[in-house]
Amino acid sequence: GENVEQHPSTLSVQEGDSAVIKCTYSDSASNYFPWYKQELGKRPQLIIDIRSNVGEKKDQRIAVTLNKTAKHFSLHITETQPEDSAVYFCAAPLTGTASKLTFGTGTRLQVTL
Amino acid sequence: SAVISQKPSRDICQRGTSLTIQCQVDSQVTMMFWYRQQPGQSLTLIATANQGSEATYESGFVIDKFPISRPNLTFSTLTVSNMSPEDSSIYLCSVALAGGPNEQFFGPGTRLTVL
Repeated sequence: GENVEQHPSTLSVQEGDSAVIKCTYSDSASNYFPWYKQELGKRPQLIIDIRSNVGEKKDQRIAVTLNKTAKHFSLHITETQPEDSAVYFCAAPLTGTASKLTFGTGTRLQVTL
Repeated sequence: SAVISQKPSRDICQRGTSLTIQCQVDSQVTMMFWYRQQPGQSLTLIATANQGSEATYESGFVIDKFPISRPNLTFSTLTVSNMSPEDSSIYLCSVALAGGPNEQFFGPGTRLTVL
């Protein structure tokens, strides 16, 4: 089935710097790639997603890029703030399905002052 | 998005017992899913709750252990049966508002501890 690998597992950046998290997937037919943010003790929240017909999508300080040839997509957070500290998960559709998701292992982002 | 609630929010149970978790949505949704998130881990899909028919389980999960109901388009239950300490986890429901590759939104989760 679809396999999603996520790197790094932990990331520490200074406030104001940028953070980049990368995921690779195995199924070339995958066409939807969401990113979730999970704060401690809270539910995962969808923060941005991208579909395979575009290469980049931006929402204020957050952007996602997709490279279909290389089968990877990345989350970019610019001008990081302490409230960006959380665990971030990427996801992709399970092989052969349109609606089920398989998740990456997560990246714990810490933004230090 | 939709407003999703889960009951209970947390519970502590004895091994060998069963717990039923409820998921309620404030609007009709096409797809409902159940996930497990073990401490410090990622989310693993348990099953898709199908309205009016049996749930569709992912590899490693079986109906006898995790029976699921979905009597209508806004409500689903997940039962964790014959619990053991290894079942200690957070259980989350999620919904998709339309079919196909669409956004999934998560409920607040149920934190289960099995002693």
